[in-house]
Amino acid sequence: DIQLTQSPSFLSTSVGDSVTITCRASQDIRSYLAWYQQKPGKAPKLLIYVASTLQSGVPPRFSGSGSGTEFTLTISSLQPEDFATYYCHQLNSYPQTFGQGTKVEIK
Amino acid sequence: QLQESGPGLVKPSETVSLTCTVSGDSFSTYYWSWIRQAPGKGLEWIGNIYYSGSTKYNPSLKSRVTISVDTSKSQFYLKLSSVTAADTAVYFCARDTRSGMRRMDVWGQGTTVIVSS
Repeated sequence: DIQLTQSPSFLSTSVGDSVTITCRASQDIRSYLAWYQQKPGKAPKLLIYVASTLQSGVPPRFSGSGSGTEFTLTISSLQPEDFATYYCHQLNSYPQTFGQGTKVEIK
Repeated sequence: QLQESGPGLVKPSETVSLTCTVSGDSFSTYYWSWIRQAPGKGLEWIGNIYYSGSTKYNPSLKSRVTISVDTSKSQFYLKLSSVTAADTAVYFCARDTRSGMRRMDVWGQGTTVIVSS
């Protein structure tokens, strides 16, 4: 199985800050990486797919980059509604796998 | 567009059956996945199915999982056998695009399964 390791696991930050979350894959997954935002009691929401394509309706302060084994999700100018847990997800090969999550909290 | 349904409470060693109803979509265009999330934990992909009935399963659950489909009802199903407390989780269904722009872009709201006697 392909392991996805997110860092950091926890972020304490402020409204208006910019944050970057990294996802490292144990094998080459080309660009088949997606990012999701999840709030308590809710289903994950797709933000980014194929590493850098912004899902329709997602604000442009969210951006993704990377290929191969290293990927990043950047949120510029954090808004109050952005405080949530973020997951990366590889769809290159079966079984599909997710990172362990990064919780972004208000400082 | 996706709605899960299930029994809520299941006894240990029993089989849990969940249904995902798809509305407003071309059922035969996509793959359809099941994902679960144990309390306070991350996301775990269980498996997916194509409208033709072709399936892929997570090896960690493969011996206990069956995913099936009824295209006439635009529904797909998850059966998980021999459940234990470790199977207590929120179970999500999702639309799984396996073309070049791979992603899970539509999710159900999730259904909670509690395994307890």
